[in-house]
Amino acid sequence: NAGVTQTPKFRVLKTGQSMTLLCAQDMNHEYMYWYRQDPGMGLRLIHYSVGEGTTAKGEVPDGYNVSRLKKQNFLLGLESAAPSQTSVYFCASSKQLAGAEQFFGPGTRLTVL
Amino acid sequence: GENVEQHPSTLSVQEGDSAVIKCTYSDSASNYFPWYKQELGKGPQLIIDIRSNVGEKKDQRIAVTLNKTAKHFSLHITETQPEDSAVYFCAAKEDTGRRALTFGSGTRLQVQP
Repeated sequence: NAGVTQTPKFRVLKTGQSMTLLCAQDMNHEYMYWYRQDPGMGLRLIHYSVGEGTTAKGEVPDGYNVSRLKKQNFLLGLESAAPSQTSVYFCASSKQLAGAEQFFGPGTRLTVL
Repeated sequence: GENVEQHPSTLSVQEGDSAVIKCTYSDSASNYFPWYKQELGKGPQLIIDIRSNVGEKKDQRIAVTLNKTAKHFSLHITETQPEDSAVYFCAAKEDTGRRALTFGSGTRLQVQP
């Protein structure tokens, strides 16, 4: 099993450009999450999904959109990138929402110039 | 919502010494408290968790303690080794319903050989 994979690993964007980050998991997990990690601020939840076709806002959802069209994939979109979105993005998945281990991907380092 | 504070932000110890990382949380309804370890260039990985019906849990050299009255919990690492060097995150959530984890800001532990 590959676990949780993320593409791309690195990306540089110009302000105003758009992009989509792809997360895939092969563990048949119901729940998937997108976090951003910034120095001194830990992991902050952007959006999450409790199942195929459902999404919910997390702590810092502004400027991002997500879609969960297939159970194994969770996409994070930036419609108009801003320098404040420079960060490392992590995707995670879990078998259930309550008290379950979250499995994280390796991260995507995004720089917005 | 939940707010988790974590201290210290950095911690340097000599190999063989003990390390303690402390977290406080705000939501008295929280009852699930995991700890994640993030090695350089990787996603976080669960190392131990505790639920509110337990005051202490041990797994070899690591232990977690929970004080629900004071709303704080701590990670203890004994006989530290260089491979323990990483960033550690605490987290908290209510273990029912649809709430996701809230993470602390992280502690960078450096074990000096």
